Amino acid sequence: EVQLVESGGGLVQPGGSLRLSCAASGFTVSSNYMSWVRQAPGKGLEWVSVIYSGGSTYYADSVKGRFTISRHNSKNTLYLQMNSLRAEDTAVYYCASTPNKAAPPDYWGQGTLVTVSS
Amino acid sequence: QSALTQPPSVSGSPGQSVTISCTGTSSDVGSYNRVSWYQQPPGTAPKLMIYEVSNRPSGVPDRFSGSKSGNTASLTISGLQAEDEADYYCSLYTSSSTLVFGGGTKLTVL
Repeated sequence: EVQLVESGGGLVQPGGSLRLSCAASGFTVSSNYMSWVRQAPGKGLEWVSVIYSGGSTYYADSVKGRFTISRHNSKNTLYLQMNSLRAEDTAVYYCASTPNKAAPPDYWGQGTLVTVSS
Repeated sequence: QSALTQPPSVSGSPGQSVTISCTGTSSDVGSYNRVSWYQQPPGTAPKLMIYEVSNRPSGVPDRFSGSKSGNTASLTISGLQAEDEADYYCSLYTSSSTLVFGGGTKLTVL
């Protein structure tokens, strides 16, 4: 059974850093296209970043230069390193996967809440 | 990054049909068949309901259907049920390898 479990969320001050993890089971992270999508409280979905099976990475303009997506193949885990956090980064962060390039993510985790506040 | 426009809300009674639109431009929706639709009940993760305009993943009821005309994609839910009440989002993979979501539509089953 495919499962994605996010962790690492919490309360952080503006300007701070946080690393989110997404542990996968039932499939291989390195063979899939893995994304992070976030949802601010009461708002819609916002795509954040994707890492391709070949290792290429892409980011939304709103996080470019501040966030870094990566994966640890032997741990079968996806990460999102978030630096220089702002209040507007407050959201539930979901990891999601798809086996096909340019295909919509079809498996999603339950999400982890990140709150940026002083 | 392009924006996809959805109506904020739609409603219908049980058994009726509702259609949710997703309007883009000739450079995105109009040019590619990469439109997808997600369902998100309150407090849950999104669930893929339609991909590549009109294809349903395994397990999605055939009450859900997708189509496209010009720069507008649509999700139609027929035989509306109470369990269909949720937020619905369209999405599109762009040519620059980014994923864009519509603003979301809240479906209320009366």
